[in-house]
Amino acid sequence: GESVGLHLPTLSVQEGDNSIINCAYSNSASDYFIWYKQESGKGPQFIIDIRSNMDKRQGQRVTVLLNKTVKHLSLQIAATQPGDSAVYFCAENTGGFKTIFGAGTRLFVKA
Amino acid sequence: DTEVTQTPKHLVMGMTNKKSLKCEQHMGHRAMYWYKQKAKKPPELMFVYSYEKLSINESVPSRFSPECPNSSLLNLHLHALQPEDSALYLCASSQKKVDEQFFGPGTRLTVL
Repeated sequence: GESVGLHLPTLSVQEGDNSIINCAYSNSASDYFIWYKQESGKGPQFIIDIRSNMDKRQGQRVTVLLNKTVKHLSLQIAATQPGDSAVYFCAENTGGFKTIFGAGTRLFVKA
Repeated sequence: DTEVTQTPKHLVMGMTNKKSLKCEQHMGHRAMYWYKQKAKKPPELMFVYSYEKLSINESVPSRFSPECPNSSLLNLHLHALQPEDSALYLCASSQKKVDEQFFGPGTRLTVL
């Protein structure tokens, strides 16, 4: 069935380093992908999205890469800061209202 | 205003109680969502309303009853819940189908 998963459940990085969070998806019909950040006690917050007609999109300190050949999505965070500590979810959408969230990766930033 | 608000923040209820969760947004979004999130798990979609009509029900038990009184409000009525229904209930909204969703802070529900 449909699934969105992550390779690493936890990631620990040094402050100032770059972080890479990976995600695998299995539904080749998915054409819209989103990364959300969820801090403790809060709802998920949109970070960046990408549509299937693109393979890279950049935001402020974040970059999302999409490899449709191997059904892989990644989120790169440059110069990781303590405020980046959170759980990160990738999510996929096949064109309707239904968005499926991946398992999540917890990012720890060491000062 | 880019905020989705949810009340109450916390709710404790017994299995025979009836309670309601409320969600509000003033961004003019026409799609609103209810998600359930268990600890250390991703949000799971429960219901979607589009233009105030129920668009998706993810086979949610009837003890959960959604309602969309108008384009800004979304309710989730709870009745005869089970302890396993204890979770964080998140409301979200979006401008259109394939779009980022704006989430509220959630209601932490405990069923005793």
